[in-house]
Amino acid sequence: GQNIDQPTEMTATEGAIVQINCTYQTSGFNGLFWYQQHAGEAPTFLSYNVLDGLEEKGRFSSFLSRSKGYSYLLLKELQMKDSASYLCAVMDSNYQLIWGAGTKLIIKP
Amino acid sequence: GAVVSQHPSWVICKSGTSVKIECRSLDFQATTMFWYRQFPKQSLMLMATSNEGSKATYEQGVEKDKFLINHASLTLSTLTVTSAHPEDSSFYICSAPTSGDHNEQFFGPGTRLTVL
Repeated sequence: GQNIDQPTEMTATEGAIVQINCTYQTSGFNGLFWYQQHAGEAPTFLSYNVLDGLEEKGRFSSFLSRSKGYSYLLLKELQMKDSASYLCAVMDSNYQLIWGAGTKLIIKP
Repeated sequence: GAVVSQHPSWVICKSGTSVKIECRSLDFQATTMFWYRQFPKQSLMLMATSNEGSKATYEQGVEKDKFLINHASLTLSTLTVTSAHPEDSSFYICSAPTSGDHNEQFFGPGTRLTVL
């Protein structure tokens, strides 16, 4: 079956760095997405990786290793507004998104 | 980026009534739209794939007669929750992929349905 695993919850301190991991097992691979979702709101797109390596976009970076079925989202210089759930999703061979359960990130002052 | 709108943003209805939720792609055409449901503290659950001009594809366990989907144009898909019950109370979100390099999905703002 298809499976996306990510931690349920993480806590970090304002100004620090946090890494949210995601491992996946899917039938085929057409890219991995990271989305941010604040409580009561729809997800917003953060990043897309289809090739191995690191993609950097401002304070957020995303890494992918296809051979390991592994990705991480790295958030630097954490701000209180970064408190949200972070969803990892993989597009399978049918171009369907398979979603992880999300990681709730709590930022403390 | 592309914009997807949903209407209404929230709705409260009595048990047994039907509720229609609209999903529109405002600045691009979407032959496919996805409908998700999200219960509190849970991840998105794909309900169905809406295809313009043809029948929707429903995920296993989703009743097609209860959740009616109509994708009548390239910019509009509707989800009708028929004979709603309290257990249908949830956050309903639609999304539409663009035709870009990686089919990035843009999400509507969501509709919070509360069935009394």
